[in-house]
Amino acid sequence: NAGVMQNPRHLVRRRGQEARLRCSPMKGHSHVYWYRQLPEEGLKFMVYLQKENIIDESGMPKERFSAEFPKEGPSILRIQQVVRGDSAAYFCASSPGGLHSPLHFGNGTRLTVT
Amino acid sequence: GENVEQHPSTLSVQEGDSAVIKCTYSDSASNYFPWYKQELGKGPQLIIDIRSNVGEKKDQRIAVTLNKTAKHFSLHITETQPEDSAVYFCAASGNDYKLSFGAGTTVTVRA
Repeated sequence: NAGVMQNPRHLVRRRGQEARLRCSPMKGHSHVYWYRQLPEEGLKFMVYLQKENIIDESGMPKERFSAEFPKEGPSILRIQQVVRGDSAAYFCASSPGGLHSPLHFGNGTRLTVT
Repeated sequence: GENVEQHPSTLSVQEGDSAVIKCTYSDSASNYFPWYKQELGKGPQLIIDIRSNVGEKKDQRIAVTLNKTAKHFSLHITETQPEDSAVYFCAASGNDYKLSFGAGTTVTVRA
């Protein structure tokens, strides 16, 4: 299966801990997007990255959240000092690039903060 | 920013009947409108999309229509089957890479 791979599928963290979410894009895709989904809601854009570059992080909270997509390895979404309000499903999507290229989503990481 | 409204939030149809989901958007600059299907525990999967230079697009039992003047677009599923049961999301974007999603419609197809 050459789809978008996200891990872990489920992540439980206590308040104040750090959460690291990983995303490996589809083969041949160099554009990665992170979205957050709260229960009963649609997906909200967080950040758009290309290899080694953050293109648009306008949807990501200024504090505690960061994202990277290094030259080698998966994209990482990092949440420091998690709070209960960070509990959500985080989805990664990839595309080959180009405006309005179809996004291919992974199955998400469900973060629970206790 | 773009605001996408989606109705209804839940839809129950008899197998074989049609299902229609409607979305409106606020930004007249939006020109790309994809629809995604999300099954339980999985990520959204693109099922069809339409661009602003087209008024209608069809793919087997699925069709999408777009009215740019009224700023609304709709998804039509004909001859519904149990495997069509899922949450459906509409989305819109303009000349950037961000998709703005509707809140979703939970479709249940009754056998």
